[in-house]
Formats: sequence, C-alpha cells, structure tokens
Amino acid sequence: AQKVTQAQTEISVVEKEDVTLDCVYETRDTTYYLFWYKQPPSGELVFLIRRNSFDEQNEISGRYSWNFQKSTSSFNFTITASQVVDSAVYFCALKGFSFIFGKGTRLLVKP
Amino acid sequence: DAGITQSPRYKITETGRQVTLMCHQTWSHSYMFWYRQDLGHGLRLIYYSAAADITDKGEVPDGYVVSRSKTENFPLTLESATRSQTSVYFCASMVADGTEAFFGQGTRLTVV
Repeated sequence: AQKVTQAQTEISVVEKEDVTLDCVYETRDTTYYLFWYKQPPSGELVFLIRRNSFDEQNEISGRYSWNFQKSTSSFNFTITASQVVDSAVYFCALKGFSFIFGKGTRLLVKP
Repeated sequence: DAGITQSPRYKITETGRQVTLMCHQTWSHSYMFWYRQDLGHGLRLIYYSAAADITDKGEVPDGYVVSRSKTENFPLTLESATRSQTSVYFCASMVADGTEAFFGQGTRLTVV
C-alpha cells in the first residue's frame, strides 16, 4: 500500500523566518516519484518539484530547498526567509502505481 | 488550446441526479486521475487510468463511475449524487514514466 503523511496540519510563521514542511511516505515500489505542489488561495495546483527514487541529491531553487532521505522515507521542504506570498497549502505526493497526496500543510506567513 | 481542461467549472445539482464531470487533455498522456478535495482530507484519489480502456479504483471510489474510451478524455460520473459528494474535483494527466503531471483548474460541485 502507498501512503503519504503530512503531520503538520497548519504552520504559522512571521515573515523572514525559515520553515520546514515535513513529508513521510510509504511504498513497496522500488521506482517511484515524489512531488511537492503549492495550492494558493486561488485554488489551482502549482508544481514545485519532482524527485525520483534513485536520486537522493538535495535540491535548492531560490528560497526553496528539498531534502530527500530514503532511509527515513522523508521528502521535506524548506522555505528560507519566508514571504507573505508563500502563504498557501502545500501538498506532498507519491507516484508509484497510482498517484496519491498527503492531506496538505497550510502555511500562513504573517507580515 | 493545449492543456487539460475540466468542465463545467461550477455545478449545482440535486440529490439523486446523475452528473458527469468532463476532463480533456491534449497531450495524449497515458495516465489520468480524478481527485476530490475536501477540508481536512487533502486530495483523495477517486479513480485513475493508465491507458485507454484501463481504469482502477483509488481511495474513495464508491458512488463514482469512470470510463476511458479515448486517451484524451476521462469523464467522472456520479450515478446518484449525494450531499457528501459536494466537493472540488480535480482531474490530472501524467506522462507514462511518471515524471510530469498536469492538473485541471477544478470543478466545484454542490449537491443540494
């Protein structure tokens, strides 16, 4: 069975703080993909990153960074120097034989 | 226009009625998915399809029917709508190797 767990339901930070969103997954597949999506208040799903199961290199894109650790089945997402525009719901997702999502973490960045 | 489109964007229907949500993609992606989004539950997979004429149940398939006679279309039918099916529905398509996924803009369905 596949499962994605985002234990943090809601996080509130003050602008310029760093924040990490946790994602833990379960799968029996040896080949799989992990994703992060952002859903702003407007409702659309915005793709942020994809990682395949064979690539454990961490990735940085501007203020965003991702830490993939197969040993702990985690794919955590860090926003450095958060901004008000980062306020959104963030979803972690797993593509194995299907494509499932965690319940999401609502991030509120206060000015 | 290239992309993935859902129709209608908004729908109000009565309990017991049949309603079909449409999803069309222009890329010929192998995979297509239907999700419902509800507060506190995130995105839950209803049905998915790996190719034309191949469909499979997701986490919450009860009360829904899908078909995929053509690669580009993946309609979702609520056979007898219930108030618990009030939700926002998202359709997605994905290339066969799972490397890229695209989402429609969503359909907000209200069952009264």
